[in-house]
Amino acid sequence: GAGVSQSPRYKVAKRGQDVALRCDPISGHVSLFWYQQALGQGPEFLTYFQNEAQLDKSGLPSDRFFAERPEGSVSTLKIQRTQQEDSAVYLCASSLNRFRGGGNTEAFFGQGTRLTVV
Amino acid sequence: GENVEQHPSTLSVQEGDSAVIKCTYSDSASNYFPWYKQELGKGPQLIIDIRSNVGEKKDQRIAVTLNKTAKHFSLHITETQPEDSAVYFCAASWDSWGKLQFGAGTQVVVTP
Repeated sequence: GAGVSQSPRYKVAKRGQDVALRCDPISGHVSLFWYQQALGQGPEFLTYFQNEAQLDKSGLPSDRFFAERPEGSVSTLKIQRTQQEDSAVYLCASSLNRFRGGGNTEAFFGQGTRLTVV
Repeated sequence: GENVEQHPSTLSVQEGDSAVIKCTYSDSASNYFPWYKQELGKGPQLIIDIRSNVGEKKDQRIAVTLNKTAKHFSLHITETQPEDSAVYFCAASWDSWGKLQFGAGTQVVVTP
C-alpha cells in the first residue's frame, strides 16, 4: 500500500496479557518511529529505528515494552504483562531519512492501534 | 529535552473566519516544525511544515510563521470550512533523525 499500515486497529487485552502490535512502513523508508498517544493528548515518542538498528529507545516507559525491526521493514511493538496505564493509541510513523543530518524528515503516520487493557 | 506548549486547547470559529494556533518551544537547537491534523479515529496527517532557515511558509489557505528569537511558531488557517474541524498538533524536532516533540493539541470546531 501507499501509506503506513498498522494492525490490529483495535486490541482489548486483559491485565497481565502480552500484546504485539505490527507496523508496515512505507516501502523504502529508512526511519521508523513508535509513539504513544493517550486520550486527549499529543503523541509521545517511544522509540526509533534506522533500518534494523534501534538507535533511540529513551521513550519506552518500562522494560515491559520492547520493539524490533529485524529486517529493516516491518516493526513490532511488544508489551508484556499489560497494565491499565498502557491503554492508549500506539502510532507508527516512517520517513525517508537516509543519513544523519540530512534527507527528508517528513514523517507519515499510520492510523494507530487502540489498545484497551481491562 | 524539548518542551512544546500549544494554545488554545479548543478553538471555535465561524465558517469563513480565520483560525490561529500558537506554539512555543524550549530548545533553541530545534530546526524543524511540522503541523499535523488528526481526525477522529485516524493518525496525524502532515499539513504543513517549516524549517528554521525560513520565517514563513504558505500553502493555499494554510500558513505557518516562525520566530526563532522568541521560540514560537503559529498556524494560520484562513477562510475556514467545516472540513477543517479536527485536532491540530504542532511539533518540534531538534534531532537529526526527526524525533518529534508534540504539543498537547488544539480542537478546532468550524460552525456553518
